[in-house]
Amino acid sequence: KQEVTQIPAALSVPEGENLVLNCSFTDSAIYNLQWFRQDPGKGLTSLLLIQSSQREQTSGRLNASLDKSSGRSTLFIAASQPGDSATYLCAAAFYNQGGKLIFGQGTELSVKP
Amino acid sequence: EPEVTQTPSHQVTQMGQEVILRCVPISNHLYFYWYRQILGQKVEFLVSFYNNEISEKSEIFDDQFSVERPDGSNFTLKIRSTKLEDSAMYFCASSPDGGNTEAFFGQGTRLTVV
Repeated sequence: KQEVTQIPAALSVPEGENLVLNCSFTDSAIYNLQWFRQDPGKGLTSLLLIQSSQREQTSGRLNASLDKSSGRSTLFIAASQPGDSATYLCAAAFYNQGGKLIFGQGTELSVKP
Repeated sequence: EPEVTQTPSHQVTQMGQEVILRCVPISNHLYFYWYRQILGQKVEFLVSFYNNEISEKSEIFDDQFSVERPDGSNFTLKIRSTKLEDSAMYFCASSPDGGNTEAFFGQGTRLTVV
């Protein structure tokens, strides 16, 4: 069964710190992996998409990596700010699944001023 | 910037009633999806839709659920005879061509069954 797992479930850091969020998946036949941000009670905002042929993607202070062989992806946030506080979700699209995404349970990030 | 829009943002319904959740996907996208997120739980796939038919559905998507693309722009999820456990946030998503491209999500409809 294809599964996506995120550890830790919650993370609290002081403002300005760099941090890494982890995502693991059980099947290396991955089409792409997407990272989302979700604010409480709100929708999903796409942050980064990494294709299976890529190893990383960058957008501003965010950098996402993908290692298919180990079944892992990381989201690196540089110089964290209180406005980064949210839940971060990773979701994987696997081959022959028509593009459906399988989500992790998310990491709730709190950046303290 | 194009976006997926969902209406209503919040719907309260009595148990046993039927609800229709509406979505307008991004106009040039070909694949459409519904997901749901029960409070405190993972986002779960419900159904995918391509070329005017269901391409895949999850175990959750039983006879109580149906989807439709009644015209060239709307994509709806109908839930018949709602149950308390249907209370969740329902997300619509669309993508240009399925698995190899980014999925764009709407802001969700919070369904509360009382």
